[in-house]
Amino acid sequence: QVQLVQSGAEVKEPGASVKVSCRASGYTFASSGISWVRQAPGQGLEWMGWISIYNGDTKYAQKLQGRVTMTADTSTTTAYMELRSLRSDDTAVYYCARRATAFYYMDVWGKGTTVTVSS
Amino acid sequence: DIVMTQSPLSLPVTPGEPASISCSSSQSLLHNNGYNYLDWYLQKPGQSPHLLIYLASSRASGVPDRFSGSGSGSDFTLKISRVEAEDVGVYYCMQTLQTPITFGPGTRLEIK
Repeated sequence: QVQLVQSGAEVKEPGASVKVSCRASGYTFASSGISWVRQAPGQGLEWMGWISIYNGDTKYAQKLQGRVTMTADTSTTTAYMELRSLRSDDTAVYYCARRATAFYYMDVWGKGTTVTVSS
Repeated sequence: DIVMTQSPLSLPVTPGEPASISCSSSQSLLHNNGYNYLDWYLQKPGQSPHLLIYLASSRASGVPDRFSGSGSGSDFTLKISRVEAEDVGVYYCMQTLQTPITFGPGTRLEIK
């Protein structure tokens, strides 16, 4: 079945970087994109950006520009999201989701990766 | 950025009764291809969000037919014909017409 398996929880100090992985299976990886969405504790959903797997094109939320990089490795069907210069307000659950090719809805979600930023 | 609003933010419902959630956008979500780029998600307690409705009115695979979506332009509605206990959680609308993709604040459905 189609699934996205994310890497485990991380605890980082302010100023550090984190790289979250999202391994896809059950579908043709290059045929879709991957979106990243985060959710701070007790808050709503925030779109971070996406990557088109077949050509590597990315689009990031303006507020994260310069701190975030999304990549994909087609040989391992794994997408990655790296966030640098971490701050306490980056503490959140980070989700990857399969992005439909034409209409951009997110039809399959990973279980989420908790990233805690604390000194 | 397109701002999404939802009402109500909290929705207590008796099992078996209908429920309705409204979602409005600060600009039209109607693309010139005729589709409204508006989706609905449900996040059950302790779980990831999952897709309920895409393109305003198309039910996602495996979603019970008691869920339906309607609307066009800037005003949309998610309806549950008969609420069941398993429907509790937070419902989000989301627009994908333009980046940044934006979500509504969420509507928390609880069982009375």
